Amino acid sequence: AQSVSQHNHHVILSEAASLELGCNYSYGGTVNLFWYVQYPGQHLQLLLKYFSGDPLVKGIKGFEAEFIKSKFSFNLRKPSVQWSDTAEYFCAVIPSGGSYIPTFGRGTSLIVHP
Amino acid sequence: DAEITQSPRHKITETGRQVTLACHQTWNHNNMFWYRQDLGHGLRLIHYSYGVQDTNKGEVSDGYSVSRSNTEDLPLTLESAASSQTSVYFCASSFYRDGLNTEAFFGQGTRLTVV
Repeated sequence: AQSVSQHNHHVILSEAASLELGCNYSYGGTVNLFWYVQYPGQHLQLLLKYFSGDPLVKGIKGFEAEFIKSKFSFNLRKPSVQWSDTAEYFCAVIPSGGSYIPTFGRGTSLIVHP
Repeated sequence: DAEITQSPRHKITETGRQVTLACHQTWNHNNMFWYRQDLGHGLRLIHYSYGVQDTNKGEVSDGYSVSRSNTEDLPLTLESAASSQTSVYFCASSFYRDGLNTEAFFGQGTRLTVV
């Protein structure tokens, strides 16, 4: 079974700082990769997704992620965070051609100070 | 617009009672999932379904059951609620066909408290 590791459980930044959240997965086959965001008290919303093609994926709100197959990684980045980016961020993996079950990391809590 | 809705949004119940959480999606997705979200554990899969009459256990299925009688609905039942089942429950759906699949779309969540 696949698993997803998010190494940063809590991140605190000041506005305008750069952000990078790590995500590694374990699965031997082809995968689809996702980052979701959960604002306080809300449901999960898709930030960006990777299915194939260009490994650098751009999402909403200025976020991007890079798929590095050799490292089994899909790190999330944003060059300049805003207070409104305060949220929980989840990395997820769906095996392509397999079970189609999304497996999530434990999440990273991001707090951005104004 | 297509959507996925959960009800109720908040529920307080007593230990030992049977509780059913509803999930209804209008995406016409074949896959549906139930997760619970707890601090420090992220989202853990309870049950999932690939289609009508298909249900499968996830990693934390003990004490829960689901049924899929149509494409749109996957109700989650707690047979005898326990305090350990106090959590936020999320329903999700996705679509796949011919080896291609979409991302998962989530409902708004149900906050369940067992007292």
